[in-house]
Amino acid sequence: DTAVSQTPKYLVTQMGNDKSIKCEQNLGHDTMYWYKQDSKKFLKIMFSYNNKELIINETVPNRFSPKSPDKAHLNLHINSLELGDSAVYFCASSQELAGGSDTGELFFGEGSRLTVL
Amino acid sequence: RKEVEQDPGPFNVPEGATVAFNCTYSNSASQSFFWYRQDCRKEPKLLMSVYSSGNEDGRFTAQLNRASQYISLLIRDSKLSDSATYLCAVWPRGTSYGKLTFGQGTILTVHP
Repeated sequence: DTAVSQTPKYLVTQMGNDKSIKCEQNLGHDTMYWYKQDSKKFLKIMFSYNNKELIINETVPNRFSPKSPDKAHLNLHINSLELGDSAVYFCASSQELAGGSDTGELFFGEGSRLTVL
Repeated sequence: RKEVEQDPGPFNVPEGATVAFNCTYSNSASQSFFWYRQDCRKEPKLLMSVYSSGNEDGRFTAQLNRASQYISLLIRDSKLSDSATYLCAVWPRGTSYGKLTFGQGTILTVHP
């Protein structure tokens, strides 16, 4: 069973379109993330949710809107796509320990490769 | 200055070689440190955590130098299968709701 699964794996779309990426984890983790990896392979955090609550929003344009219907799902919707949005988007999850600290181990999905033409 | 910086390489080494990567971090309050491995067109996966006393896992040794704010990864007896991008990652604080911040990765190619 895939622990963190994202769909779709590949997205090719035109500038100005709106697209969504879905993510689900079956690990029972409390925290989920979206990371963006650009063409230079730099992996940068975009959002973090803990038990459906947004806790990190890293200066991401408001064209990006995450939604967490429950703690096992974190979706990403992108409006008015731009060329610079082309990247691989990784969903990840991690487990919060008793006492509030985190293990620091992230489990990543396989990534969704977005190409904006 | 970036929060976490690595030499992007690439490092090209022959099988059997020993290779070392360094990674520096800017936030002195950082609490936890990790090395991740990312194969080509795959997701990152945790390779090992880095402890203050240094730790070893088979051919891999990780070390932390808090005074100089860097962590290192040493790979001994390199195998072809070690070819990958190695990402260092830093957890900025020891409490919850931190964010794992990655370096840009160091590319390693091990050749026959």
